[in-house]
Amino acid sequence: DGGITQSPKYLFRKEGQNVTLSCEQNLNHDAMYWYRQDPGQGLRLIYYSQIVNDFQKGDIAEGYSVSREKKESFPLTVTSAQKNPTAFYLCASSIVKNTEAFFGQGTRLTVV
Amino acid sequence: QKEVEQNSGPLSVPEGAIASLNCTYSDRGSQSFFWYRQYSGKSPELIMSIYSNGDKEDGRFTAQLNKASQYVSLLIRDSQPSDSATYLCAVITGANSKLTFGKGITLSVRP
Repeated sequence: DGGITQSPKYLFRKEGQNVTLSCEQNLNHDAMYWYRQDPGQGLRLIYYSQIVNDFQKGDIAEGYSVSREKKESFPLTVTSAQKNPTAFYLCASSIVKNTEAFFGQGTRLTVV
Repeated sequence: QKEVEQNSGPLSVPEGAIASLNCTYSDRGSQSFFWYRQYSGKSPELIMSIYSNGDKEDGRFTAQLNKASQYVSLLIRDSQPSDSATYLCAVITGANSKLTFGKGITLSVRP
């Protein structure tokens, strides 16, 4: 089954903790993206990567970090520097840049 | 000016009507444009992509692109209650091909 898999579906974080959200795709896509969505809001870009071992900051990168060591994986770490991390996090991928992107099922992160 | 703007909603139409959703973008060099549908609590799903000026039809959906005026629109014909969702406009912008979304517009189709 080809697709984009995000895990976990729900994640709870204590104040001051770092957490890592997983995003894996087996579609052989070059480009991958991380977005954050707050209630009633659109998607805001955190980081994106067009190729392995390269990534760019999006509009709200502060308090987040990523890596792209493998084509199929693009994990997002939410650090303790992110002061308001509670949100719905969405990972997407596209075969190459400038083409359609497809989304995983998302991870809901809650700070407790 | 925001990179991608959608007119404020929500939008409510009766069943069977045409719903018209509009989007403007600021980067004149943008080449790729998309419409996504998002049901409450779910991730966005791609419903239309358009790359050249003019209309593109797929079933009840028509995407329209006007690069000179920097707008892209989505028409939904014969609207159904199942079309009730948030519709997100997305544009590839900038030299680094950043995929940028508008804030979305919530459509409600009244039976």
